[in-house]
Amino acid sequence: NAGVTQTPKFRVLKTGQSMTLLCAQDMNHEYMYWYRQDPGMGLRLIHYSVGEGTTAKGEVPDGYNVSRLKKQNFLLGLESAAPSQTSVYFCASSYTRVGYTFGSGTRLTVV
Amino acid sequence: AQTVTQSQPEMSVQEAETVTLSCTYDTSESDYYLFWYKQPPSRQMILVIRQEAYKQQNATENRFSVNFQKAAKSFSLKISDSQLGDAAMYFCAYRVEGNTGKLIFGQGTTLQVKP
Repeated sequence: NAGVTQTPKFRVLKTGQSMTLLCAQDMNHEYMYWYRQDPGMGLRLIHYSVGEGTTAKGEVPDGYNVSRLKKQNFLLGLESAAPSQTSVYFCASSYTRVGYTFGSGTRLTVV
Repeated sequence: AQTVTQSQPEMSVQEAETVTLSCTYDTSESDYYLFWYKQPPSRQMILVIRQEAYKQQNATENRFSVNFQKAAKSFSLKISDSQLGDAAMYFCAYRVEGNTGKLIFGQGTTLQVKP
């Protein structure tokens, strides 16, 4: 089925460990986004990309890096995980910038 | 910078009745998009309704409608004939002007539907 696939769906990390979250879309969308969702704060934009090979910082980029080497993939990296990065992470993509497709989220716990 | 505020952390409604969720936003832009998203316990983000600011007519999708007051910067969601399946977290979102397509979300409102 066409859509946005996030892997993994759940992960527990120890403080200081690193990991990469993968977002893959098969709709040929130009725009891709990484958000984090925390209780009482809604979804906040971490990084985004307006096309293959481009990335830009969002509202809360510190502690994260991203890459978009291929149009269909948008990777979110945590180099040294901290408990403050415990959150649910959502990837989204868009073609028109008025219609968005979201992944099902990744629940990350940093202990 | 644009902001979106949902002042009701939780709301409840009796099944078959009507409930209104509030959303206000702050912007200096004149043309923009507003959205309501539903997030059930499955975590999936589901588009409920979308409003283009230059359209004065309020958007409607079946039992869901909005009251868009551009001058007041208000964008409330009305759910009529509430059903148990409407129970979810609801997010109001604003699309930032320009070619980035960035969305700014409100804090969310958890809706409980009582049978």
